[in-house]
Amino acid sequence: DTAVSQTPKYLVTQMGNDKSIKCEQNLGHDTMYWYKQDSKKFLKIMFSYNNKELIINETVPNRFSPKSPDKAHLNLHINSLELGDSAVYFCASSPTGTLDGTEAFFGQGTRLTVV
Amino acid sequence: SQQGEEDPQALSIQEGENATMNCSYKTSINNLQWYRQNSGRGLVHLILIRSNEREKHSGRLRVTLDTSKKSSSLLITASRAADTASYFCATDGAGGTSYGKLTFGQGTILTVHP
Repeated sequence: DTAVSQTPKYLVTQMGNDKSIKCEQNLGHDTMYWYKQDSKKFLKIMFSYNNKELIINETVPNRFSPKSPDKAHLNLHINSLELGDSAVYFCASSPTGTLDGTEAFFGQGTRLTVV
Repeated sequence: SQQGEEDPQALSIQEGENATMNCSYKTSINNLQWYRQNSGRGLVHLILIRSNEREKHSGRLRVTLDTSKKSSSLLITASRAADTASYFCATDGAGGTSYGKLTFGQGTILTVHP
């Protein structure tokens, strides 16, 4: 009964390829996110969707394109992969954003290695 | 720029001791949250403290928040080997509905020796 699940867990691919990471949450949350964790463990938000609508796009190269077919799914497609894209990508979800904020629930991460 | 900065970057203690981690941030916040990340795993939410709160407890965890100093601390009492993990603070910015955008600190790696 995984709350936030993302696939694949590991992804090794060559430079220039296009790849997708899928995320699904069964918590009934309205808001979903993609975060990137670099080799120094620094976590930075990439995108946020609320009810299938893009809310946050944090100066991410346009090779990264999120897609939310419904509020339970948020996929991340990456075109023309570069070595610098190697990182762990985390999907997360939270109840509808409020002024007080709420906790986020994270998936297990996808370790992307570009060779 | 990085919102949260944690101190120390690494902490090594013996089982049974207390562990204290600090976090500083730069801008106004709605709340501050602490997360734990075990090696190779996702982040797990530990505790959330709102900007109008000063202290919060959850089991062996105690969190304080000083908005005048823009800092927070996480205390884990009577630590166990299973507490070994990276701990991150994250701030949820003020000024309207942020839709839960969290800005993370760099993390503290805690090692608890049995």
